[in-house]
Amino acid sequence: GDSVTQMEGPVTLSEEAFLTINCTYTATGYPSLFWYVQYPGEGLQLLLKATKADDKGSNKGFEATYRKETTSFHLEKGSVQVSDSAVYFCALLYYGQNFVFGPGTRLSVLP
Amino acid sequence: GAVVSQHPSWVICKSGTSVKIECRSLDFQATTMFWYRQFPKQSLMLMATSNEGSKATYEQGVEKDKFLINHASLTLSTLTVTSAHPEDSSFYICSARASGRNNEQFFGPGTRLTVL
Repeated sequence: GDSVTQMEGPVTLSEEAFLTINCTYTATGYPSLFWYVQYPGEGLQLLLKATKADDKGSNKGFEATYRKETTSFHLEKGSVQVSDSAVYFCALLYYGQNFVFGPGTRLSVLP
Repeated sequence: GAVVSQHPSWVICKSGTSVKIECRSLDFQATTMFWYRQFPKQSLMLMATSNEGSKATYEQGVEKDKFLINHASLTLSTLTVTSAHPEDSSFYICSARASGRNNEQFFGPGTRLTVL
């Protein structure tokens, strides 16, 4: 079946460091890909998404590119802030079906 | 933007009691709503899918008599945890699929249930 794999956390970075959180997926078709962020004690917020190969999603300085050839959707940010500390979930979704979430990666940014 | 609310945001109850959690789509109609459960430091686990006016579809291993889901209108779904026990303590998150917005899904803020 379809699945999403993320790099294991926790990831601990200093403020202004470069962030990469790897995400790879296994899919039989061509799903849309998402990154969601969950701040402590809160629900999920959509961070960015991409609906087809080579699309780049971006928001709040975060970026991810839908790479069909490597089945990847890695999340990057050039300079992280303490306020970026959260859990990040990579997910795939086929039109009209249910999300498949990755296990989540906890990010801690130290001042 | 599309907003999904949940009520209550947190609840503490005694073992054996029932707890109802509401999920509302505030500015759009949702023919389909989803209920997830999240254990500490883990990912979301889909519990059930509910369609307005029909019975919910439960995922394997989820007790339908334990977790009652009602989707009585296009903007409201409820999850009732019946005869709650400490092992039901968890973070429950709903999402709603927006009709006519490219079928996008929007997530609620979650409800933390603690059963004593």
